[in-house]
Amino acid sequence: EAQVTQNPRYLITVTGKKLTVTCSQNMNHEYMSWYRQDPGLGLRQIYYSMNVEVTDKGDVPEGYKVSRKEKRNFPLILESPSPNQTSLYFCASSLEGAPNEKLFFGSGTQLSVL
Amino acid sequence: AQKITQTQPGMFVQEKEAVTLDCTYDTSDPSYGLFWYKQPSSGEMIFLIYQGSYDQQNATEGRYSLNFQKARKSANLVISASQLGDSAMYFCAMRDAGGTSYGKLTFGQGTILTVHP
Repeated sequence: EAQVTQNPRYLITVTGKKLTVTCSQNMNHEYMSWYRQDPGLGLRQIYYSMNVEVTDKGDVPEGYKVSRKEKRNFPLILESPSPNQTSLYFCASSLEGAPNEKLFFGSGTQLSVL
Repeated sequence: AQKITQTQPGMFVQEKEAVTLDCTYDTSDPSYGLFWYKQPSSGEMIFLIYQGSYDQQNATEGRYSLNFQKARKSANLVISASQLGDSAMYFCAMRDAGGTSYGKLTFGQGTILTVHP
């Protein structure tokens, strides 16, 4: 089954404790991205990647890191999480990133930073 | 820069009636795609419908149709014959091919739709 898999589904952590949210897709997509969703703000892009070893900042990259060493994986790293990073996070992918391609989304990760 | 605006934080509709969710957008690129996604209370993002900037006809997918008015830069979602299961958050989104924003999907703030029995 074609899918984007995110883990974990829920995560509670404390300020400053490094964490990684994993994202993997099995559709051989070149384009992958991370979003955070906050009430009243919709989804905002954190980082995106057009291909292996190619990553770019989105609208809200501060406090986040990503890497794209393999085509299928695109982990999101919070080196020193803070409470303002409490949010619902989505990983998404599409074939090449063209305007006519819909995004396939993971099931989301609800992160709480205490 | 891309921008998407959804001006209706919440909408109510009676079951079996039609409802229109508003979306306006702004982009300087002539090539772009417009999308609607549904997010039920379970949280997943479900793709509903797509409209390309060069498409001559409005997109339709079952009970969903997109009222595309290019000159007004609007892409309203019409849901016909509403069902209780349509109660959810709805997001309008856009992708364009322009410069540094290539590949990026920009979302609106969302509209919460509640369907009453």
